[in-house]
Amino acid sequence: EDKVVQSPLSLVVHEGDTVTLNCSYEVTNFRSLLWYKQEKKAPTFLFMLTSSGIEKKSGRLSSILDKKELFSILNITATQTGDSAVYLCAVPPDKLIFGTGTRLQVFP
Amino acid sequence: NAGVTQTPKFQVLKTGQSMTLQCAQDMNHEYMSWYRQDPGMGLRLIHYSVGAGITDQGEVPNGYNVSRSTTEDFPLRLLSAAPSQTSVYFCASTRGRRETQYFGPGTRLLVL
Repeated sequence: EDKVVQSPLSLVVHEGDTVTLNCSYEVTNFRSLLWYKQEKKAPTFLFMLTSSGIEKKSGRLSSILDKKELFSILNITATQTGDSAVYLCAVPPDKLIFGTGTRLQVFP
Repeated sequence: NAGVTQTPKFQVLKTGQSMTLQCAQDMNHEYMSWYRQDPGMGLRLIHYSVGAGITDQGEVPNGYNVSRSTTEDFPLRLLSAAPSQTSVYFCASTRGRRETQYFGPGTRLLVL
């Protein structure tokens, strides 16, 4: 059965800290892995990863995929209160499979 | 482009009532999906469609029907609402299987 597991479920940090969010997956016909950020409304797209070992970067956020070990990490450096959100990892074959998310809270 | 739109934004139903959640996209995307999101459960796929006239079940299809008569529209029907269907519903679309999904703003449904 296809599954996506994220850890930790919840994380509380102070501004300026660096966090690493984990996503492991077991799916047939893997094509890509997607990261989303969800605040109060719909998830917004962050990264799509298809190749192992190639880091995607956007400002303070970066992500990398390990297709051999079947996981991805999302790093956020110098966290800000605006980073507080639920971060979702998803793996799409036809049916997009989401992890349960990691709730990140950043306090000033 | 409006992207993915959903109506209504919020709805209260009584147990046993039926209703349709509307979803439309103007990006000519082939793939459209409906998800529900419950606390601690992440996003769960209800139904999806790979093109007009083609639909399939997702992870939690019971109690919901869908149809895809046009590329643009993908309504979700609740046949007889139950309190267990209280949730936030998201519609999403994507151009192809490997591409990112675009989400609508969500519909918050409360079934009493």
